[in-house]
Amino acid sequence: GDSVTQMEGPVTLSEEAFLTINCTYTATGYPSLFWYVQYPGEGLQLLLKATKADDKGSNKGFEATYRKETTSFHLEKGSVQVSDSAVYFCALRPTGFQKLVFGTGTRLLVSP
Amino acid sequence: DTEVTQTPKHLVMGMTNKKSLKCEQHMGHRAMYWYKQKAKKPPELMFVYSYEKLSINESVPSRFSPECPNSSLLNLHLHALQPEDSALYLCASSQPDRDTEKLFFGSGTQLSVL
Repeated sequence: GDSVTQMEGPVTLSEEAFLTINCTYTATGYPSLFWYVQYPGEGLQLLLKATKADDKGSNKGFEATYRKETTSFHLEKGSVQVSDSAVYFCALRPTGFQKLVFGTGTRLLVSP
Repeated sequence: DTEVTQTPKHLVMGMTNKKSLKCEQHMGHRAMYWYKQKAKKPPELMFVYSYEKLSINESVPSRFSPECPNSSLLNLHLHALQPEDSALYLCASSQPDRDTEKLFFGSGTQLSVL
């Protein structure tokens, strides 16, 4: 079945460091791919998305590129801030289905 | 208005109680979702309503009973829950039949079953 695999956390970085959170997926067809962020005590917010191969999603300095050849959608940011501390979920939406399949989430901790 | 509003934010109930969680959106979305999220785990889909009809039930126990009274409202009725049902319950909405569209999530109801 469709699935998403994320790197284990927590990821601990100093402010202004470079961030990469790995995400790979298994799916038939051409799913849409998403990164959601969850701050403590809150619901999930869409961070960025990509709907077809080679698309790059970007928002608030975060980027991810839909790589069909490696079935990956890694999240990157050039310079993290303390306020980026949160849990990041990679997700896919299978073609023709109304459900999101989430990865296990990666906690990011950024220290001053 | 791009919000999904959930009430209550926190709920404590005993195993014999009956309670309801409520969710409301005014974005004109015709698909609404209930997700369950245990601590440090990803959200797990419970139910999907599309055009006010139940379209997906992920084999959820009958002690959880969803209801979609109109296109803006989604309820989750709870009865005879178990302590292991304690979790964050998230509501979401989207446009149906458009799988490239994002889901909008509410901030959730934190449920504790004693």
